[in-house]
Amino acid sequence: EAGVAQSPRYKIIEKRQSVAFWCNPISGHATLYWYQQILGQGPKLLIQFQNNGVVDDSQLPKDRFSAERLKGVDSTLKIQPAKLEDSAVYLCASQGAGEQYFGPGTRLTVT
Amino acid sequence: DQQVKQNSPSLSVQEGRISILNCDYTNSMFDYFLWYKKYPAEGPTFLISISSIKDKNEDGRFTVFLNKSAKHLSLHIVPSQPGDSAVYFCAASEGTGSARQLTFGSGTQLTVLP
Repeated sequence: EAGVAQSPRYKIIEKRQSVAFWCNPISGHATLYWYQQILGQGPKLLIQFQNNGVVDDSQLPKDRFSAERLKGVDSTLKIQPAKLEDSAVYLCASQGAGEQYFGPGTRLTVT
Repeated sequence: DQQVKQNSPSLSVQEGRISILNCDYTNSMFDYFLWYKKYPAEGPTFLISISSIKDKNEDGRFTVFLNKSAKHLSLHIVPSQPGDSAVYFCAASEGTGSARQLTFGSGTQLTVLP
């Protein structure tokens, strides 16, 4: 069974630029999560999708972050414009009937 | 306010000995608890879980203990192996249904010395 795929693995941008991350969940998993993990902290939930609908985006800074999951499969997370404090690892996770499975993450550095 | 706390950022243990990782929580509504393991440049992987109706769950070398009155859980690894060296995250969730949101602690870096 293929795992959760994420790209790119690393991204370096300057502040005020925009960036997008892509996630392909495990086939058949209806629930998809995006997390932000700042160095030295645990993952913090940004948004949860069930199929192509948003379940919870209360922790998503909507003035600069957006996410979509068209067709209920792949998902993209966008930051526009980026700030220095957005430097973190962005993790995507998917879930079927069992526990959450995480992708390898995208390490974002904002300079 | 951190609802899930791992107060030890790091732990070193000799190979073959027991590793004990601790986690405290404040939200009394949490009823399901998990441990994830994370290697560098990889995403967290699920290790073991426990429901609040139990006080112990065992899977091979890994055992999780839950003390609801103290709002405390611990992960025991016996015997510890060098391959166990990783960051361990405690996580908790509440409510019903399979797609529960997880609240994570800040992690404990375990180093198992050969």
